[in-house]
Amino acid sequence: AQSVTQLDSHVSVSEGTPVLLRCNYSSSYSPSLFWYVQHPNKGLQLLLKYTSAATLVKGINGFEAEFKKSETSFHLTKPSAHMSDAAEYFCVVSEFDRYSTLTFGKGTMLLVSP
Amino acid sequence: GAVVSQHPSWVICKSGTSVKIECRSLDFQATTMFWYRQFPKQSLMLMATSNEGSKATYEQGVEKDKFLINHASLTLSTLTVTSAHPEDSSFYICSARDRRDYSNQPQHFGDGTRLSIL
Repeated sequence: AQSVTQLDSHVSVSEGTPVLLRCNYSSSYSPSLFWYVQHPNKGLQLLLKYTSAATLVKGINGFEAEFKKSETSFHLTKPSAHMSDAAEYFCVVSEFDRYSTLTFGKGTMLLVSP
Repeated sequence: GAVVSQHPSWVICKSGTSVKIECRSLDFQATTMFWYRQFPKQSLMLMATSNEGSKATYEQGVEKDKFLINHASLTLSTLTVTSAHPEDSSFYICSARDRRDYSNQPQHFGDGTRLSIL
């Protein structure tokens, strides 16, 4: 089975400063990886996905992530944080099973201060 | 596009009652839908995979008789929590994948249902 490790449970930044949310994965195959965002009492919204095309993936709201096979990492970044970015972020890997089951990281809470 | 509607968004009920949660794909057809449970400040745990026209596939440790899943059409799956008790209180989220998507494409998530059992 594949696994995902989100290295920080909480990340605090000031508005206007860069964001870095770290994610490492474990996989026997070339994985499909996703970042989702969850606002309080809401479902999950897809930010971006990596499916073996370009290693630098651009997503919505100015987020991007780089797939680094040598480091087994898929870190999420944004040049300048907005207050509205405060939310829970999940790094997710897709299993190579019949239903492409998703395996979620434990999540990183992003806190943005004025 | 790719909107998943989940209803109700919030339900409070007495212990011992049964609660039905609906998950609909509004603008696409979904052969497969997924049901997750999320405890406060924790990640999502897959409960079961719902297949249109066949029995659901439950994850280890999930009681089939407790959490009844029905996927009667390509746009609707329901989760019924039978004889609910306070320990069943949680945030339940469904997701769906467009039947036209090839494997490893993202799932589309509903907004979740907050279930509180008194």
